[in-house]
Amino acid sequence: NAGVTQTPKFQVLKTGQSMTLQCAQDMNHNSMYWYRQDPGMGLRLIYYSASEGTTDKGEVPNGYNVSRLNKREFSLRLESAAPSQTSVYFCASSGRRGARTDTQYFGPGTRLTVL
Amino acid sequence: QKEVEQNSGPLSVPEGAIASLNCTYSDRGSQSFFWYRQYSGKSPELIMFIYSNGDKEDGRFTAQLNKASQYVSLLIRDSQPSDSATYLCAVAGGTSYGKLTFGQGTILTVHP
Repeated sequence: NAGVTQTPKFQVLKTGQSMTLQCAQDMNHNSMYWYRQDPGMGLRLIYYSASEGTTDKGEVPNGYNVSRLNKREFSLRLESAAPSQTSVYFCASSGRRGARTDTQYFGPGTRLTVL
Repeated sequence: QKEVEQNSGPLSVPEGAIASLNCTYSDRGSQSFFWYRQYSGKSPELIMFIYSNGDKEDGRFTAQLNKASQYVSLLIRDSQPSDSATYLCAVAGGTSYGKLTFGQGTILTVHP
């Protein structure tokens, strides 16, 4: 049981390049989330998927797109990377969205640098 | 006003002392409150959650919730150097149904 996995762990891009961050969970969770974490800013929600087939914007969606490929996988795409997107990206999943005890479990993160 | 506020610290306590971490939130409809620990370069891991007013204890950790004051805290008893990390407060419910809103985190250092 690997929990939440993310690939790649590290990535360096040049301005204007594109890439996709991959996330998968094996906990049979319905909901999945993408966050970015910048120094002193805490975690900010980029996009989330409440269930398979649905996606919604979070707090900072500009410059990103997502795909909920199936129940297990949720990818984040940067179409034209900018230096402002240099950050650590975390994927998370949860199984009881909206319940008081709903807990999000996080992947190991992807450290992205855009030059 | 930020939705979830924490003192960014750093908070420094001696080994064996009680560390007290505080968090305030602005949405009165918030229902659940989570404390995550994040070691440097690692992902957040859940310590505990609370949704009823009062105290909730789990080992050396106690979460305290006061909804009237919109305040939640985490006490770490008998602090150890291994507790040195960033502690993130997160809030769910209210206008953030099904989502977590995080504070910026408090850096805790426990020195021998």
